Amino acid sequence: ELKVEQNPLFLSMQEGKNYTIYCNYSTTSDRLYWYRQDPGKSLESLFVLLSNGAVKQEGRLMASLDTKARLSTLHITAAVHDLSATYFCAVYGNKLVFGAGTILRVKS
Amino acid sequence: NAGVMQNPRHLVRRRGQEARLRCSPMKGHSHVYWYRQLPEEGLKFMVYLQKENIIDESGMPKERFSAEFPKEGPSILRIQQVVRGDSAAYFCASSPLPDVGPEQFFGPGTRLTVL
Repeated sequence: ELKVEQNPLFLSMQEGKNYTIYCNYSTTSDRLYWYRQDPGKSLESLFVLLSNGAVKQEGRLMASLDTKARLSTLHITAAVHDLSATYFCAVYGNKLVFGAGTILRVKS
Repeated sequence: NAGVMQNPRHLVRRRGQEARLRCSPMKGHSHVYWYRQLPEEGLKFMVYLQKENIIDESGMPKERFSAEFPKEGPSILRIQQVVRGDSAAYFCASSPLPDVGPEQFFGPGTRLTVL
């Protein structure tokens, strides 16, 4: 059974600093997704990673996938307040399995 | 092209009543997925449907929950005799094809509160 673990579960960030969220999964998959969720809202797709070594960047966020290590990272560069939200990774086995989410709070 | 639509957005039910949640997939999408999100948790897969077929219902509770996706009209997630533990956000997602890599597009969710 596919299991997805994210860490940390909570991240208090200072503006301007860099941080990384980790997403580990338990069985082979070459499809991994990152989503953002604001309180009371739906999921916003951030990245779709479909192959080993895939790296995608959008603004201050960069996601990568290492299928051999079964690990994806979401790197945040120079955090700003607008990035405060909950971030989920999700891995596709025969269905989409989500991590528990990482709550990001950026302090001024 | 409208996104995935769900209604109602908020639903309040008393214990023992029935809840019906509707999901209209994006135009051209024939695959629908339902997820449940309990407070402070990630989304949990419930069921995957194509038109008139349930493909995978491994995440559905065995009792009181049912789902359908008729040939015409939206997909329906039905919860009979609701209990307080059913209070959650229920998200529907759709995709055009099942297993060739495209992501699922999520609706705004229905927030169910059971009093």
